[in-house]
Amino acid sequence: DADVTQTPRNRITKTGKRIMLECSQTKGHDRMYWYRQDPGLGLRLIYYSFDVKDINKGEISDGYSVSRQAQAKFSLSLESAIPNQTALYFCATSDGMEQYFGPGTRLTVT
Amino acid sequence: GQQLNQSPQSMFIQEGEDVSMNCTSSSIFNTWLWYKQDPGEGPVLLIALYKAGELTSNGRLTAQFGITRKDSFLNISASIPSDVGIYFCAGRVTNFGNEKLTFGTGTRLTIIP
Repeated sequence: DADVTQTPRNRITKTGKRIMLECSQTKGHDRMYWYRQDPGLGLRLIYYSFDVKDINKGEISDGYSVSRQAQAKFSLSLESAIPNQTALYFCATSDGMEQYFGPGTRLTVT
Repeated sequence: GQQLNQSPQSMFIQEGEDVSMNCTSSSIFNTWLWYKQDPGEGPVLLIALYKAGELTSNGRLTAQFGITRKDSFLNISASIPSDVGIYFCAGRVTNFGNEKLTFGTGTRLTIIP
């Protein structure tokens, strides 16, 4: 079984809808991250969490919110989706050394 | 936000050829990482470098941490079809409690039949 799982893997939604992307990990890591990937821009950090009570904004947090429900779960929400949030979204975990990525969620906002 | 300059953006090579790519930054990093991403998957860590001048190998892959701490290089020898994908560099300024990564824009490797 994969150590970092993301659901859904693909999602198409309409402008203005609220959507939640979920991430779960079995690695036992305290640190979790959400990234967005756009063609030609690499990965950019949206939010990160170093433990259940810790939430920090990344470089592109506007329009997003997160919830760290447990050590193993970190959710990303788009309160009111807009077309320029169409992208690949990756969750990652870390033991304080390196980051390990999930398989990604492809989100399309029409 | 800060981005690393990664080059080349894409490469078209024949199977068996050697590959070189690099990343440069205007800032100093204390860690350099190289990831590979296959289509439809998340990035997978290939090599991690923690010390200026360090040269580390992982099979046919060799990466180096530049002496200036502002650059890193990845070489792939004798390329094979499964090397196809996008390669990302990432840098980290390791401050206490801070381990945010800055990613390069990627090098897309294609092998021509």
